[in-house]
Amino acid sequence: AQSVSQHNHHVILSEAASLELGCNYSYGGTVNLFWYVQYPGQHLQLLLKYFSGDPLVKGIKGFEAEFIKSKFSFNLRKPSVQWSDTAEYFCAVKSGGADGLTFGKGTHLIIQP
Amino acid sequence: NAGVTQTPKFRILKIGQSMTLQCTQDMNHNYMYWYRQDPGMGLKLIYYSVGAGITDKGEVPNGYNVSRSTTEDFPLRLELAAPSQTSVYFCASDSTGFYNSPLHFGNGTRLTVT
Repeated sequence: AQSVSQHNHHVILSEAASLELGCNYSYGGTVNLFWYVQYPGQHLQLLLKYFSGDPLVKGIKGFEAEFIKSKFSFNLRKPSVQWSDTAEYFCAVKSGGADGLTFGKGTHLIIQP
Repeated sequence: NAGVTQTPKFRILKIGQSMTLQCTQDMNHNYMYWYRQDPGMGLKLIYYSVGAGITDKGEVPNGYNVSRSTTEDFPLRLELAAPSQTSVYFCASDSTGFYNSPLHFGNGTRLTVT
């Protein structure tokens, strides 16, 4: 069975700081990787996904993530965060089975103005 | 385009009461899921369905039941509510279940059992 580990449970940054959220997964087969964002009081929204090709994927709102197969990692980055990026971020893996996504525990990001 | 719709948004139950969380999607997706979200724990899969008439248990199915009589609807039933079921519940759907197919989430139901 696959699992997902997110290293930072809480991150506090100032506006304009750079962001990197770590995500590692454990699964030996073909996986597809996702980052979802949950703004306060809202549902989960897809930020970006990787399934093949260029390991550097770009998503919405200036986010990007890099898939490093040798490290089983899929870290999320943003060069300059904004106050509106305050949210919870979930890394998830999908192995192609019918049972959907396996999620990490999430990272709560707070951006201070 | 409504996507995935969940009702109710909030509910307070007493221990031992029962209720059904409703989920409907208008995207004609075959795959549907119920997750619960607890603080610091991420989302855990309760049940899922790959099509009408077919359901299967996820990681945390105890205390819940589901049915899938139509493609659109996937209700989640709590028969004897317990405080441990206090959580936020999300329904999601997926068009194909394939590797690269993302899940689409509803807005969630916040349930408190006291």
